[in-house]
Amino acid sequence: RKEVEQDPGPFNVPEGATVAFNCTYSNSASQSFFWYRQDCRKEPKLLMSVYSSGNEDGRFTAQLNRASQYISLLIRDSKLSDSATYLCVGLSGGYNKLIFGAGTRLAVHP
Amino acid sequence: DGGITQSPKYLFRKEGQNVTLSCEQNLNHDAMYWYRQDPGQGLRLIYYSQIVNDFQKGDIAEGYSVSREKKESFPLTVTSAQKNPTAFYLCASSLGQGTGELFFGEGSRLTVL
Repeated sequence: RKEVEQDPGPFNVPEGATVAFNCTYSNSASQSFFWYRQDCRKEPKLLMSVYSSGNEDGRFTAQLNRASQYISLLIRDSKLSDSATYLCVGLSGGYNKLIFGAGTRLAVHP
Repeated sequence: DGGITQSPKYLFRKEGQNVTLSCEQNLNHDAMYWYRQDPGQGLRLIYYSQIVNDFQKGDIAEGYSVSREKKESFPLTVTSAQKNPTAFYLCASSLGQGTGELFFGEGSRLTVL
């Protein structure tokens, strides 16, 4: 089993829609979690950290469910500019390194 | 503006040749990393360095080498021993290891002909 797993998508949604991605993780990638955004053929950039109590940043909400070992990202009121690949990332406590999922592709259409 | 600069952006290499990818940062970060990205896979760690003159192998170090002679610079050499070198290579830095926030360069796309 991969340490961090994501549905590759693509998720095709109209502008204004709400879309959610899940990411499951194994015990080795379980200290802290983050969502990165990667535009096509560009470098990844940190979108937000994921806190145990859940956290929100504008239209984006991240949740962590340790009992079921998954992280979610909710995007409300999708914009065309949200089209990108979203990478789920876990910090491995044992090795103090980041473990990247393969990403979920989002395509927002008019 | 502070940031990470990778060069070249695109590189073509013949089989059997070594090639060196440059990575320079002016963020005053201690930790630097090299990742490889292949389609359908997550970023995989090649090498990382926490301080000058020190570096450690990541998950897929075979066929690669690095140096960290200056805090700002962390070049990666893709040697002829790397069996499948065609990939997108990303350099990153962070204030320290163990932080979730990495700052990436724009990447170097290597194609072996």
